[in-house]
Amino acid sequence: DTGVSQNPRHKITKRGQNVTFRCDPISEHNRLYWYRQTLGQGPEFLTYFQNEAQLEKSRLLSDRFSAERPKGSFSTLEIQRTEQGDSAMYLCASSRDRVEQYFGPGTRLTVT
Amino acid sequence: GESVGLHLPTLSVQEGDNSIINCAYSNSASDYFIWYKQESGKGPQFIIDIRSNMDKRQGQRVTVLLNKTVKHLSLQIAATQPGDSAVYFCAESLESARQLTFGSGTQLTVLP
Repeated sequence: DTGVSQNPRHKITKRGQNVTFRCDPISEHNRLYWYRQTLGQGPEFLTYFQNEAQLEKSRLLSDRFSAERPKGSFSTLEIQRTEQGDSAMYLCASSRDRVEQYFGPGTRLTVT
Repeated sequence: GESVGLHLPTLSVQEGDNSIINCAYSNSASDYFIWYKQESGKGPQFIIDIRSNMDKRQGQRVTVLLNKTVKHLSLQIAATQPGDSAVYFCAESLESARQLTFGSGTQLTVLP
């Protein structure tokens, strides 16, 4: 499968715990994006990497959120001290020198 | 801030009929538009895109129309099939900005 992959697909955690999600983009895609989607809404942009450099961050990305792409390939998104409002689908997308983005299946986070 | 929105939250069509999904955008500076299809539990799937220097673009069974005068975008699906049932999102972008801004989606239901 050469598409964008995300792990885990589902995560249930208790409020206050830290969680980390992983995204593996399409091979040779230099751009990687994280979005958050709540039920019935379109995805909302969180952050964007070009290679290993994090070039844009949304105001939605609070201090509890951090994203990395250390070698310009896979990326991780960590949420510290999770809150119930963090419950959402976290989507990763990648692209190669174009705006056209290909999305992964997402990680569904539930904070109890 | 400016946003992308959809006229109708739900659309039901008979199998074999044509479907038209509409989208209004408010950022007149946007120069790239894209339609995604999202099935339950999956990430958005690219359908077709169009740049602002074009009025129409056709794909396989799909056509996107862009009217910059009234800031309106539409997706036409020919001979709608049961597999077309999903939520459809339009999204806009400034190519320099890279990030996509999504609308809230239209649920398309294909009736047998």
